Amino acid sequence: AQSVTQPDIHITVSEGASLELRCNYSYGATPYLFWYVQSPGQGLQLLLKYFSGDTLVQGIKGFEAEFKRSQSSFNLRKPSVHWSDAAEYFCAVGAGNNNDMRFGAGTRLTVKP
Amino acid sequence: SQTIHQWPATLVQPVGSPLSLECTVEGTSNPNLYWYRQAAGRGLQLLFYSVGIGQISSEVPQNLSASRPQDRQFILSSKKLLLSDSGFYLCAWSTRRGRYEQYFGPGTRLTVT
Repeated sequence: AQSVTQPDIHITVSEGASLELRCNYSYGATPYLFWYVQSPGQGLQLLLKYFSGDTLVQGIKGFEAEFKRSQSSFNLRKPSVHWSDAAEYFCAVGAGNNNDMRFGAGTRLTVKP
Repeated sequence: SQTIHQWPATLVQPVGSPLSLECTVEGTSNPNLYWYRQAAGRGLQLLFYSVGIGQISSEVPQNLSASRPQDRQFILSSKKLLLSDSGFYLCAWSTRRGRYEQYFGPGTRLTVT
């Protein structure tokens, strides 16, 4: 079965600084990969997804992620963080059927003014 | 466009009382539906999923049950709540065919006292 690891529980960055959130997955075939964002007390919003093709995917809110098969990683990046980006971020991997998505434990992002 | 609703938004219930949380999806047909629980500071735990009316699969044996009486309605229930049932409950849907991203509702905050 597939699994996801987000090594960083909590990250603090200054507003305007660049951001990279790490995600490592385990899956025997080509995975479907996702990043979600969750503001406090809210549901999860899909930021971006990777299924195939170009390994650098663009998402909403200025986020991008790069799929690196050799490193089993799908790290999320943003060149300049805004205070409104403070939230919890979840990486997820999907398998071959609709009922088997696995989420990482999440990374909480704090943005310093 | 598709929307997903959950109610109530918050709920405080005593131990031993029953529970009914409702989730409805608009703007799509034959969705896959999911119930997740998110404990404080934790990731998402898949509780139940459904591929059609009356078809429920349980991921984790526990005090909860789920039902799908209509195509776009998913209900999470309990006959007697436990303190450990407290958490943030999220409903999600995905298309039956095609890609596998899931779209989440706003969630229900349940506190069992």
